[in-house]
Amino acid sequence: DAKTTQPPSMDCAEGRAANLPCNHSTISGNEYVYWYRQIHSQGPQYIIHGLKNNETNEMASLIITEDRKSSTLILPHATLRDTAVYYCIVRVMDSNYQLIWGAGTKLIIKP
Amino acid sequence: DGGITQSPKYLFRKEGQNVTLSCEQNLNHDAMYWYRQDPGQGLRLIYYSQIVNDFQKGDIAEGYSVSREKKESFPLTVTSAQKNPTAFYLCASSITASGRRNEQFFGPGTRLTVL
Repeated sequence: DAKTTQPPSMDCAEGRAANLPCNHSTISGNEYVYWYRQIHSQGPQYIIHGLKNNETNEMASLIITEDRKSSTLILPHATLRDTAVYYCIVRVMDSNYQLIWGAGTKLIIKP
Repeated sequence: DGGITQSPKYLFRKEGQNVTLSCEQNLNHDAMYWYRQDPGQGLRLIYYSQIVNDFQKGDIAEGYSVSREKKESFPLTVTSAQKNPTAFYLCASSITASGRRNEQFFGPGTRLTVL
């Protein structure tokens, strides 16, 4: 079973910041939070990951709460091309393979 | 260009036939993975390989087989034993399977339909 909970869908206006929440209340101390997105009928694309500090890259920012039980992915200036399903995944860094995928959040960017 | 290629993009087969899906990567990654995705669902791991000539079963390996004879290739065979093979199949690779640099890069996928 997925170890994360995400809303099934969200809307955001083009040009605004898109904030995607994720709950991972049972996360362990050595588990990282990963975010991927999947545009319709394509392979998923890696976005960002973090352990406990906030992270930023050219695509997005990841804000992790101090207790690590939830996080938020921020797309600072959403465009129509950001419409996709966004997956929040927790992963043990020492594990060999496990990315446990839930159903994700369908983000729709509206003009 | 570096990346992962999967072929074909769409594949149709008759029930009872085995079919092999291709996955090639030129990223020099050690680890490779096969996932299955059903409509409206997340990905489920079928098989993974950490290194050449080695592979392990994932959560839903029954009815599938793989080989890893070369670093860049990880073909998946869907056998007639797989009871519901129609799905979207995704191949991925990562620098290593464990450790810090294990974000996975995905191919475009193969949509298999069994008639």
